[in-house]
Amino acid sequence: GQNIDQPTEMTATEGAIVQINCTYQTSGFNGLFWYQQHAGEAPTFLSYNVLDGLEEKGRFSSFLSRSKGYSYLLLKELQMKDSASYLCAVRDREGNTPLVFGKGTRLSVIA
Amino acid sequence: GAGVSQSPSNKVTEKGKDVELRCDPISGHTALYWYRQSLGQGLEFLIYFQGNSAPDKSGLPSDRFSAERTGGSVSTLTIQRTQQEDSAVYLCASSIRPGQGIYEQYFGPGTRLTVT
Repeated sequence: GQNIDQPTEMTATEGAIVQINCTYQTSGFNGLFWYQQHAGEAPTFLSYNVLDGLEEKGRFSSFLSRSKGYSYLLLKELQMKDSASYLCAVRDREGNTPLVFGKGTRLSVIA
Repeated sequence: GAGVSQSPSNKVTEKGKDVELRCDPISGHTALYWYRQSLGQGLEFLIYFQGNSAPDKSGLPSDRFSAERTGGSVSTLTIQRTQQEDSAVYLCASSIRPGQGIYEQYFGPGTRLTVT
């Protein structure tokens, strides 16, 4: 079966750094995505990893270890607007096929 | 340019009624996906269209659910004889054709369906 695990909720302080972990067990692997979803809004694409290592994009970085079935999303210099759900998703087939999503991590940024 | 649009944004219906949900993908995107998001659950794949290929219906939860895509663009998800467990946010996404980039999916704002 397909299984993607991430923490349900996290709280962090404005200006701090937070790491959201994701572990996956899927029938295949063709890339891992992180999406941000504010309450009541559409998910928006944040990052993509297909090879091991770290991808950095401004305040956001994402890491992948395929051998461990593990990824994390790192958010630096947290801002109040970063309060949202963060969705980890795996593409388990080749091409532009559907994604398998975790349940999401709700991040609350507090002052 | 315009993003993915969905209508209606909210739909309240009585148990047993049929509903139709509409999705307009980004122009030029050949792939279209339907997912649903129930409270406390992750996005659940329902159906996937890629160009003129037969759709992948492997995620549809029952034969009450169906979808079509006309002219390779607009898609309609139909739920017949709605049940209370069908209450969820139905999200549509689209992406570019194979061979171009990482195929990230662009999501619409969703239709919140409530079955009373």
